[in-house]
Amino acid sequence: DAGVIQSPRHEVTEMGQEVTLRCKPISGHNSLFWYRQTMMRGLELLIYFNNNVPIDDSGMPEDRFSAKMPNASFSTLKIQPSEPRDSAVYFCASSFNRDTDTQYFGPGTRLTVL
Amino acid sequence: AQSVAQPEDQVNVAEGNPLTVKCTYSVSGNPYLFWYVQYPNRGLQFLLKYITGDNLVKGSYGFEAEFNKSQTSFHLKKPSALVSDSALYFCAVIRRALTFGSGTRLQVQP
Repeated sequence: DAGVIQSPRHEVTEMGQEVTLRCKPISGHNSLFWYRQTMMRGLELLIYFNNNVPIDDSGMPEDRFSAKMPNASFSTLKIQPSEPRDSAVYFCASSFNRDTDTQYFGPGTRLTVL
Repeated sequence: AQSVAQPEDQVNVAEGNPLTVKCTYSVSGNPYLFWYVQYPNRGLQFLLKYITGDNLVKGSYGFEAEFNKSQTSFHLKKPSALVSDSALYFCAVIRRALTFGSGTRLQVQP
């Protein structure tokens, strides 16, 4: 299995631009998670899906952030408009069962907003 | 609310010596605990987890962790450290999603 795939690996954009991050979970996994890693806040959950349905988006910073999972093999995290404080590494992870099963992480997308 | 604490920002150990990376947790109900490792510019890699059963959990790359309910701890250990073990280590607790500790940087010196 190829593992969790994320694209792009690096993204540099200017403030005010729209950014879309993409994730392909491991085939057969039914839970998908988006995390963000920053020096100040460490690793924090943004949102997670179970069977393509958003379950908890309480970690999404504000309305500029949105996430979708149109099918079991694809999810997007969109930031519009982007701001410099959104600069971080964004990780996608997937698992079979959200409660106790191991989550497997993608390589992350390093976002820089100038 | 659930949380984990990693009291050490950095741990230094000489190659060949045993290593311990500390983690304490605070959860209501049964704790489900994980250790992940992050190498530079890489994603998080799963090392091991405790769900139930034996208090000593064995994982990848020779790592193990000891679950101690009375001390609410889940310390990561390895009998003999390698230079290649140098990385950032995260303890986490799961209740639907993972809640991570702040991370501990392990530096193994040759």
